[in-house]
Amino acid sequence: GEDVEQSLFLSVREGDSSVINCTYTDSSSTYLYWYKQEPGAGLQLLTYIFSNMDMKQDQRLTVLLNKKDKHLSLRIADTQTGDSAIYFCAESKNYGQNFVFGPGTRLSVLP
Amino acid sequence: DSGVTQTPKHLITATGQRVTLRCSPRSGDLSVYWYQQSLDQGLQFLIQYYNGEERAKGNILERFSAQQFPDLHSELNLSSLELGDSALYFCASSPRSGANVLTFGAGSRLTVL
Repeated sequence: GEDVEQSLFLSVREGDSSVINCTYTDSSSTYLYWYKQEPGAGLQLLTYIFSNMDMKQDQRLTVLLNKKDKHLSLRIADTQTGDSAIYFCAESKNYGQNFVFGPGTRLSVLP
Repeated sequence: DSGVTQTPKHLITATGQRVTLRCSPRSGDLSVYWYQQSLDQGLQFLIQYYNGEERAKGNILERFSAQQFPDLHSELNLSSLELGDSALYFCASSPRSGANVLTFGAGSRLTVL
């Protein structure tokens, strides 16, 4: 079956880089996503990557995909206090009917 | 503002009661998804509608039902409520049934006392 796993907590110092990791089990996943949830808000799409890509960079965000190990990571450079949130990894198939989300990693940025 | 509107934002009710949560998708989106987020279960997919038709069903209880109307708004009906139904209920929309991006609403927080 489909499963997405993440570590639940991560603390970093302001200005450092954060790396949030995710593993998934479904090798037929075509799209992999990172969503951000701030307190009291819905999930906001940060970025996504196609399974035929290894890396995608978007300003301070870098997504790395190791398809062989089914491992996805999100690196946030120069982490700020405004980056404190829960980050969800998710996967879906092409023309898939639902998305599978991980449990979310709560990122705390310390001053 | 994501463009997905959910009402009410907060709802407090008693066990055994019935509530209806409403969602208006982003303009132009045909597909609506419902998710339940609780502390112990994480984000759980409940059900998906596409252009008025049920398209996929996830971990939705029999006490729960949903529909999507001709104007594309959707309602999630929760009945015979139990304490464990207390959660955040999110609606998300996408342009097509298999589209690769979901846009989420801010959620409806349900508290069952």
